[in-house]
Amino acid sequence: DTAVSQTPKYLVTQMGNDKSIKCEQNLGHDTMYWYKQDSKKFLKIMFSYNNKELIINETVPNRFSPKSPDKAHLNLHINSLELGDSAVYFCASSQEFQDTQYFGPGTRLTVL
Amino acid sequence: AQKITQTQPGMFVQEKEAVTLDCTYDTSDPSYGLFWYKQPSSGEMIFLIYQGSYDQQNATEGRYSLNFQKARKSANLVISASQLGDSAMYFCAMRGLSGSARQLTFGSGTQLTVLP
Repeated sequence: DTAVSQTPKYLVTQMGNDKSIKCEQNLGHDTMYWYKQDSKKFLKIMFSYNNKELIINETVPNRFSPKSPDKAHLNLHINSLELGDSAVYFCASSQEFQDTQYFGPGTRLTVL
Repeated sequence: AQKITQTQPGMFVQEKEAVTLDCTYDTSDPSYGLFWYKQPSSGEMIFLIYQGSYDQQNATEGRYSLNFQKARKSANLVISASQLGDSAMYFCAMRGLSGSARQLTFGSGTQLTVLP
């Protein structure tokens, strides 16, 4: 059974489009995250979210927004996609903020 | 602000030998956690090992051990008896307790290649 899953695995789209990446975890965790991994493999936190608190990395453009329909899901919506948004996006989850994070398989986004 | 430094962009090791991947950190938090993750060429991020700053013993998980030297602010990963499947990118990460330091901060990674 997949613990943290993401769909789609690959996403190719045109500049200016709006897209979403879905994330689901079946670990019963309370906290979920989105990370961006750039072409140099550098990983950076974008959002941390549980049902009480949303922490946004201040460097993330407001074109990116997390949406959590329930505790097991944290989707990432991206508006007006730009070339620089091309990257691998990882979802992760942990029981609490301080616990070990488990990552999804990643979504490779390519903006043309 | 917290910072993780991995100074080895690439490392090579012969199969069956041990290898140490370096990681140093900087934080003002009195309590923090240190993590190592493995990213094979297939792309997924795999959790390997965790060390709490107040843990008395160095963490071990199978062939992985964490050489934690608090005074030197280092948390090196030791892989014993390397296998070809250990070839991957390895990331050191840390998490503090307060404010934005609660978020996991990653180093730039070390690409390990195990030679047959």
